Amino acid sequence: NAGVTQTPKFQVLKTGQSMTLQCAQDMNHNSMYWYRQDPGMGLRLIYYSASEGTTDKGEVPNGYNVSRLNKREFSLRLESAAPSQTSVYFCASILRTRGLNYGYTFGSGTRLTVV
Amino acid sequence: GQQVMQIPQYQHVQEGEDFTTYCNSSTTLSNIQWYKQRPGGHPVFLIQLVKSGEVKKQKRLTFQFGEAKKNSSLHITATQTTDVGTYFCAGYEKLTFGTGTRLTIIP
Repeated sequence: NAGVTQTPKFQVLKTGQSMTLQCAQDMNHNSMYWYRQDPGMGLRLIYYSASEGTTDKGEVPNGYNVSRLNKREFSLRLESAAPSQTSVYFCASILRTRGLNYGYTFGSGTRLTVV
Repeated sequence: GQQVMQIPQYQHVQEGEDFTTYCNSSTTLSNIQWYKQRPGGHPVFLIQLVKSGEVKKQKRLTFQFGEAKKNSSLHITATQTTDVGTYFCAGYEKLTFGTGTRLTIIP
């Protein structure tokens, strides 16, 4: 029972390079999320997908794109990395039902450094 | 938009002392969740509060949801070294996280 799996765990990019962060969950959750965590800033929502086939912007979407490939997978793409995108990125998923939601399950994170 | 503030930002306590963190929202929340993140780790779900005035306990942890559903608190009794980490509250609707309270324990 893997839960939420993120790859890669660590990545160093040069300014201007692109990359895709992968996230997959095996819990049959319908909603998936991408957060970034910077020191002293808590977790900030980048994009989310309430259900398969839909994506929406969060608090800090600029410089990112997402793809909800299927129910299991939700990827985050940096088209042209900038040093300001140095952060720890977390993917999370949840089974959201009418009137109720349960705890989010987070992946172990991707530590990204842009130089 | 919804803003969730959390205080204090840091708390250092002697092992065995109590610890409390407070969470305040600018808007009424339908529910609130609490998470713990160990150093170098990822957030782990602790509990969800839904009802006005709700109080829930998990061993030494006590969670409260305010009557107006705009604030919440987490109280840990007799802290242990295993309690070290950052505690986040999160409001529903896109799970807006508070800034967190980092708890360190002095053995």
